[in-house]
Amino acid sequence: DAKTTQPTSMDCAEGRAANLPCNHSTISGNEYVYWYRQIHSQGPQYIIHGLKNNETNEMASLIITEDRKSSTLILPHATLRDTAVYYCIVKSSGGSNYKLTFGKGTLLTVNP
Amino acid sequence: DTGVSQDPRHKITKRGQNVTFRCDPISEHNRLYWYRQTLGQGPEFLTYFQNEAQLEKSRLLSDRFSAERPKGSFSTLEIQRTEQGDSAMYLCASSLGTQNTGELFFGEGSRLTVL
Repeated sequence: DAKTTQPTSMDCAEGRAANLPCNHSTISGNEYVYWYRQIHSQGPQYIIHGLKNNETNEMASLIITEDRKSSTLILPHATLRDTAVYYCIVKSSGGSNYKLTFGKGTLLTVNP
Repeated sequence: DTGVSQDPRHKITKRGQNVTFRCDPISEHNRLYWYRQTLGQGPEFLTYFQNEAQLEKSRLLSDRFSAERPKGSFSTLEIQRTEQGDSAMYLCASSLGTQNTGELFFGEGSRLTVL
């Protein structure tokens, strides 16, 4: 699976949009971009994933660049409960590849 | 709540003792995973089950570690002769076979402290 690079930490004001970047310049054509988050002392929580089109769900939006070498997770109206470590993971879907390879992620702190 | 449940949530043990963790996945999920997470690091893959079959084991899973899923439902992770380096959060996750293989549902984890 391709390696990802994320900033170590970011701050965001409550109510504002949080934009979390991820670089995955070595991504392959069959690899998806997944985002998870982990609130302190809890297990990771799946947020969203995408292949090449932008995706949106009730939690967030995922914007993937046309060359697929980077992506941005957008939390449109961040709340204090969104303070967490956010992990960007690149992984091929299906087949025999069942492992998620987590990096250190980005610690997002939402400030009042 | 019908999410993934893990037991115990916290375990403190002395070096050399054996410990066992239990994971109850979401009932219809046929895939089950164990991960380990140390302080400041992301979770690391340990092993994967599809139904009762253990299909993949990480090299992180030394001979002192054994995982089972005897009836394709709950799973146990046993650590024998614990060492201080085993102190970590042990996370269980499950997923449905028809879903995208990257969408996992994690439990709250079992935190192990080896003194």
